[in-house]
Amino acid sequence: DVKVTQSSRYLVKRTGEKVFLECVQDMDHENMFWYRQDPGLGLRLIYFSYDVKMKEKGDIPEGYSVSREKKERFSLILESASTNQTSMYLCASSLLGTQYFGPGTRLTVL
Amino acid sequence: DAKTTQPPSMDCAEGRAANLPCNHSTISGNEYVYWYRQIHSQGPQYIIHGLKNNETNEMASLIITEDRKSSTLILPHATLRDTAVYYCIVRVYSGAGSYQLTFGKGTKLSVIP
Repeated sequence: DVKVTQSSRYLVKRTGEKVFLECVQDMDHENMFWYRQDPGLGLRLIYFSYDVKMKEKGDIPEGYSVSREKKERFSLILESASTNQTSMYLCASSLLGTQYFGPGTRLTVL
Repeated sequence: DAKTTQPPSMDCAEGRAANLPCNHSTISGNEYVYWYRQIHSQGPQYIIHGLKNNETNEMASLIITEDRKSSTLILPHATLRDTAVYYCIVRVYSGAGSYQLTFGKGTKLSVIP
């Protein structure tokens, strides 16, 4: 079974803090993705990576950066968290087209 | 990009088959149809995918019309645990060997005891 894990299920941070969200997959998948999910807006792609050290912007990259130093790990970074980044963050990995998702991190920025 | 249209909500009696429709009239010949579901506060779960032939796995069956403009996901014996939002997605190639899945609003399936 594919396993995608995320570092935290719930996270509370203050405005202006630097936030790291970590995602690890155990299936040697090439591609990894970060989404955020908000009520009424569905899942929106923030960034994706198709190889180590490679990244591509998704639909809403502003305010975020990513890091992929190892194949199994993909990190999402909020350089200076803001209240409008309060959301559910979902990580996924894929081989070819099928994406497998982690459980999500519900981030609250106060 | 091929877009999908799904009803916003459906009910199904427990133990009956749940048939979830999806329209994707602008799908291209090499684009796959994917189905995912999301149970409240969890990450989306992959269910099944297909190109043109009908597909079946341990979770569901996928029926794709001959013209590929629509499809139906069938859960043969719905249980209360199948209550979730179901997403029908057309997979799009995004370059560098990577594919994107664009999630719409999906269908909220409620399984009624």
